[in-house]
Amino acid sequence: NAGVTQTPKFRVLKTGQSMTLLCAQDMNHEYMYWYRQDPGMGLRLIHYSVGEGTTAKGEVPDGYNVSRLKKQNFLLGLESAAPSQTSVYFCASSHRGRASYEQYFGPGTRLTVT
Amino acid sequence: AQSVSQHNHHVILSEAASLELGCNYSYGGTVNLFWYVQYPGQHLQLLLKYFSGDPLVKGIKGFEAEFIKSKFSFNLRKPSVQWSDTAEYFCAVNLPNNAGNMLTFGGGTRLMVKP
Repeated sequence: NAGVTQTPKFRVLKTGQSMTLLCAQDMNHEYMYWYRQDPGMGLRLIHYSVGEGTTAKGEVPDGYNVSRLKKQNFLLGLESAAPSQTSVYFCASSHRGRASYEQYFGPGTRLTVT
Repeated sequence: AQSVSQHNHHVILSEAASLELGCNYSYGGTVNLFWYVQYPGQHLQLLLKYFSGDPLVKGIKGFEAEFIKSKFSFNLRKPSVQWSDTAEYFCAVNLPNNAGNMLTFGGGTRLMVKP
């Protein structure tokens, strides 16, 4: 099992450019999440999905869009990148059901917007 | 909305020292509590969790945490740290019935263990 994988690992964008981050999981999890990690602020939830074809906003959704066309994939899009979106982005997944189920994290994508 | 506070942003210890990292949360009802660890260059992984029962929970690598409901705390402890415990530690909380099992994370504590 690869677990949760993320593509790409690193990316540098210029202000205004767009990109898509791909998250894939092979654990047949129903729930998937996108977080950003900034120094001193921990991880903050951007968007999440409770199933194929459904998405919802998290704590910091502005400037991002997501799609979950297939159960195993969760895409995060930046339509017009801004320097404030410089961060490390983590994808996670978990089983549906009890909130005590742990989330499994990917290795992260380090994004720099200049 | 619930919030999570980790009091220490940076901790430096020598090997064999004891560790206690503080975590407080702001929700008054029933919660699930987690500690995740991120070793340098790696992804987050679960250290331990509490959702019911014995408030003293044991996790991997000799870590334990105690849930004290009256203090809204879930502090992480280890009697004797090793150099390999150098990492960033995150406390997280969620509500048992929240749609999507969303987690709220604290700001993290960077632990450096000197050999």
